[in-house]
Amino acid sequence: GAVVSQHPSWVICKSGTSVKIECRSLDFQATTMFWYRQFPKQSLMLMATSNEGSKATYEQGVEKDKFLINHASLTLSTLTVTSAHPEDSSFYICSASGKPNYGYTFGSGTRLTVV
Amino acid sequence: KQEVTQIPAALSVPEGENLVLNCSFTDSAIYNLQWFRQDPGKGLTSLLLIQSSQREQTSGRLNASLDKSSGRSTLYIAASQPGDSATYLCAVRDDKIIFGKGTRLHILP
Repeated sequence: GAVVSQHPSWVICKSGTSVKIECRSLDFQATTMFWYRQFPKQSLMLMATSNEGSKATYEQGVEKDKFLINHASLTLSTLTVTSAHPEDSSFYICSASGKPNYGYTFGSGTRLTVV
Repeated sequence: KQEVTQIPAALSVPEGENLVLNCSFTDSAIYNLQWFRQDPGKGLTSLLLIQSSQREQTSGRLNASLDKSSGRSTLYIAASQPGDSATYLCAVRDDKIIFGKGTRLHILP
């Protein structure tokens, strides 16, 4: 079945540094990848949608300069949290899908803690 | 704007009972609807995917139905077990994936 690998699973960084999270589709071509964040006991909130070879589409209220998304290939998307601050601490999850009528497969998530 | 609502927000039932989780959406122009399970601090696990042309899908003790015209889906869990305790999310896909806020399910041993 479709597998999405997300790394790292957890990361602790100092305030002001940048952190990169990778999302890979291992056995299918992901034309679209999605990035979500989830605060404790909250639902998933879509941050951005990225299509391979195109600029990501960010949801309202998400700072594109702070959350850099790159989707350079059909199997890899990265989310870079730049100049991280404690309020960026959250659970980040990626998902990938092929064609629109396919389901979507989720990575296992990355817990980011900024100290 | 698509909105997805899940009722109830939380549910506690004794082990062995059958239960139904509800999901409603406002725009019927969807590609598919998917039910997920999320354990605390974990990523999502896909349970069932229903294409817009389908009415239901079954996997083991789980059955999900879709009534696109009324904007509703249900997830039926038969003979519930303590291991079923988790948050259950439904999500619809049109141009984006829109999630409901989930139902926190607790199965009492």
